[in-house]
Amino acid sequence: DSGVTQTPKHLITATGQRVTLRCSPRSGDLSVYWYQQSLDQGLQFLIQYYNGEERAKGNILERFSAQQFPDLHSELNLSSLELGDSALYFCASSRRLYNEQFFGPGTRLTVL
Amino acid sequence: GENVEQHPSTLSVQEGDSAVIKCTYSDSASNYFPWYKQELGKRPQLIIDIRSNVGEKKDQRIAVTLNKTAKHFSLHITETQPEDSAVYFCAADFNDYKLSFGAGTTVTVRA
Repeated sequence: DSGVTQTPKHLITATGQRVTLRCSPRSGDLSVYWYQQSLDQGLQFLIQYYNGEERAKGNILERFSAQQFPDLHSELNLSSLELGDSALYFCASSRRLYNEQFFGPGTRLTVL
Repeated sequence: GENVEQHPSTLSVQEGDSAVIKCTYSDSASNYFPWYKQELGKRPQLIIDIRSNVGEKKDQRIAVTLNKTAKHFSLHITETQPEDSAVYFCAADFNDYKLSFGAGTTVTVRA
């Protein structure tokens, strides 16, 4: 157990819908990262927050957005969902920038 | 750019033999290189990492080497065991704070 928690574990929804994925970092970690892992694919970096502020963006679609709250938990919002958005979404956290990232268990999103 | 290439994509080894996975990166400013192991359906787990001021690091049966001049780093697993079977990802940390991952290597250890 890495200490990073993600909810929900599984999510099944329909095309066009909107969902919110939640992540709680390890105690004391200030940085949160979101990754997408499609079937048989590697880890694609989406976005990073550090102490409430956005720090880096990857290939995140405009339909996706995220934020980090004052208590440091983070939410990833996915809207106008498409079949291709079906994937595992991982959150990771680290103590500061340039530190080891520890991954949560992931949320498996299925878009039907 | 932030490109990390990983080879091979699949690797099958006999139990007890060694496994080597190689990665190259594009940005000479990279200074942090972690390796993650991901078992089927589970989270990626950090198994070892190396920073640019070190050429080699070892932890029991796992070692990582870094050649900054050539911009490549490698994971070495010795005396492989069935529980080493998993997908291994290399990554490089770029100065804009994000990790770029390689495409992964599926390692199968044959009993």
